[in-house]
This record gives sequence, structure tokens and C-alpha cells, in this order.
Amino acid sequence: KNEVEQSPQNLTAQEGEFITINCSYSVGISALHWLQQHPGGGIVSLFMLSSGKKKHGRLIATINIQEKHSSLHITASHPRDSAVYICAVNLSSFDDMRFGAGTRLTVKP
Amino acid sequence: DTGVSQDPRHKITKRGQNVTFRCDPISEHNRLYWYRQTLGQGPEFLTYFQNEAQLEKSRLLSDRFSAERPKGSFSTLEIQRTEQGDSAMYLCASSTVGRQFFGPGTRLTVL
Repeated sequence: KNEVEQSPQNLTAQEGEFITINCSYSVGISALHWLQQHPGGGIVSLFMLSSGKKKHGRLIATINIQEKHSSLHITASHPRDSAVYICAVNLSSFDDMRFGAGTRLTVKP
Repeated sequence: DTGVSQDPRHKITKRGQNVTFRCDPISEHNRLYWYRQTLGQGPEFLTYFQNEAQLEKSRLLSDRFSAERPKGSFSTLEIQRTEQGDSAMYLCASSTVGRQFFGPGTRLTVL
């Protein structure tokens, strides 16, 4: 079983819809990251969380340490949000990251 | 552009050949990471440097793989005797503490 599980694997939405992507992890972590990967491979770090909630524009990320769960929300989705969203965690024991398989989001106009 | 560069961006090689990739991190970042990503999967950790010291190495990194960061700045990842299963995107990232900044990746195709 992967240490980081994401759901759903694929998500198609209509422009303007509210989107939620979920991430669960099974290991002790020092931080959780949400990453965005566009076609062609470039990865951009969206958020780094160790507790609570962060907001940046239309993106909101939350984490519940007790439940080992995080969510990424996109409000008023737009076709340019179409990308793969990856959840990753920094393990407590050492500094490497473990990644989920990603959620492929397609937002249709 | 995150400030992390990788070279080359694409590499096509024949099975059995050696390849070397380079990563130039953000200059003030002391931590440098290599990851491998295959199609449809999230990245997998390969190895990690703090300055010039290689501190962690995944079991995924067979003895055909070697990474160096000789002066604590740029890093190289060499794959010897490439196999078709080595075809993947090789990603480099750098950081100080916490948030990592990723390079554009080197896409390796082994024929």
C-alpha cells in the first residue's frame, strides 16, 4: 500500500465548479505539500502545510494531522486549472518526500 | 521558471549506453534532491544531498546509478548500462528547509 493515497485519480469538472482533491497518508510527517504538474513535466509547489489551513487566490489547502488527511480545494474552477495535482509528504524521520500518484484534473469550458 | 535548471531536457539513448544529467539548483539552497517519475505515476525519491554530502539513497537506486554534488552546488546523476526500464522523467529539486523548488526535468528514453 502506498504511503500517500490520493483520490480521485481523475476528475472532470465544468468551469466554475468547486473542486476537492483528497490526500491520505499513513506515516508520520513533518509537512505536507500540494504540487501542480502541467503537461511537459514542470512541477510547481502550491502549498506546504504542517497544520490548519492555507489560502492562495482560488486555492485552499487544509490538513488534519490527527486524521492524517489533507484536502486541496479549487473555487470557481477554470480550464487553466487543468493539470495533475500531487500530494507529497516530508517524512518525520528524514528529509525526503513521498508522493501520491496524482489527481488528473480537467476543467471544461 | 523556478530557478532550478536541468540539462539536457531530453535524452534518447540506446540500451547499454551511459548517460549523465546535470542539475543546477537555486544558488543559496543547500539541499538537492533527485526524483524519478514514470508515466502516470507520482515522482519517486532517488537521493538527497545536503551540501556535498549524499545523506539518503533510495533502494530504487541500483548500483548502475550514481549521483554527485562535488562542490555543494550543481549535481550530476549518471546511469550506467542503461536499460529500457530506466526510461522516465528525472526531476531535480532544491531547497533550504521545507518547500522544494523543482527543475523542468530530463526526459530519458532508452531504445
